[in-house]
Amino acid sequence: DTAVSQTPKYLVTQMGNDKSIKCEQNLGHDTMYWYKQDSKKFLKIMFSYNNKELIINETVPNRFSPKSPDKAHLNLHINSLELGDSAVYFCASSQLGSAGAYNEQFFGPGTRLTVL
Amino acid sequence: AQSVAQPEDQVNVAEGNPLTVKCTYSVSGNPYLFWYVQYPNRGLQFLLKYITGDNLVKGSYGFEAEFNKSQTSFHLKKPSALVSDSALYFCAVRDDDTGGFKTIFGAGTRLFVKA
Repeated sequence: DTAVSQTPKYLVTQMGNDKSIKCEQNLGHDTMYWYKQDSKKFLKIMFSYNNKELIINETVPNRFSPKSPDKAHLNLHINSLELGDSAVYFCASSQLGSAGAYNEQFFGPGTRLTVL
Repeated sequence: AQSVAQPEDQVNVAEGNPLTVKCTYSVSGNPYLFWYVQYPNRGLQFLLKYITGDNLVKGSYGFEAEFNKSQTSFHLKKPSALVSDSALYFCAVRDDDTGGFKTIFGAGTRLFVKA
């Protein structure tokens, strides 16, 4: 069973379109994340959700809107796609708690978004 | 603010030789440090972490890391490299300022192990 899954794996679209990426984790974790990895492989956090609540919004343009319908899912909707949005987007999860701040994250396989 | 630096873009090593991938950190409180590995077209995988205790941390696939407080370093090591260790390695630190909800990653170091 895949611990953290993302769909789709590849997404090719035109500038100006709206697209969504879905993420699901079956690890029972209470915290989920979205990361963006650029062409130089630099990894930057975008959002953190804990128990469906947005905790971190790392100065991401408001064209990006995450939604967490439940603790196991965190989706990312992107409006008005731009060329600079082309990247690999990773979902991750971890268990936070009294000692959980020290727990590692589990990453999904990534979604490669290409904006033409 | 917390940060990590990986001073080498790339490390080349021959199979069977020891390898070291360097990481230095800057934190305002206690350091919570991690190493992750990324194989081509895959997500990151956790290797090991330092929270407290023994300065030598052992992790997956025979990797270990040495925490050095005085040098603010957390170098990743393996006694004998395998070709299959070739991948992108990330050092990371938990950002205490955000209650642990944010992890800051280094720029990554690409490891090439030659047969």
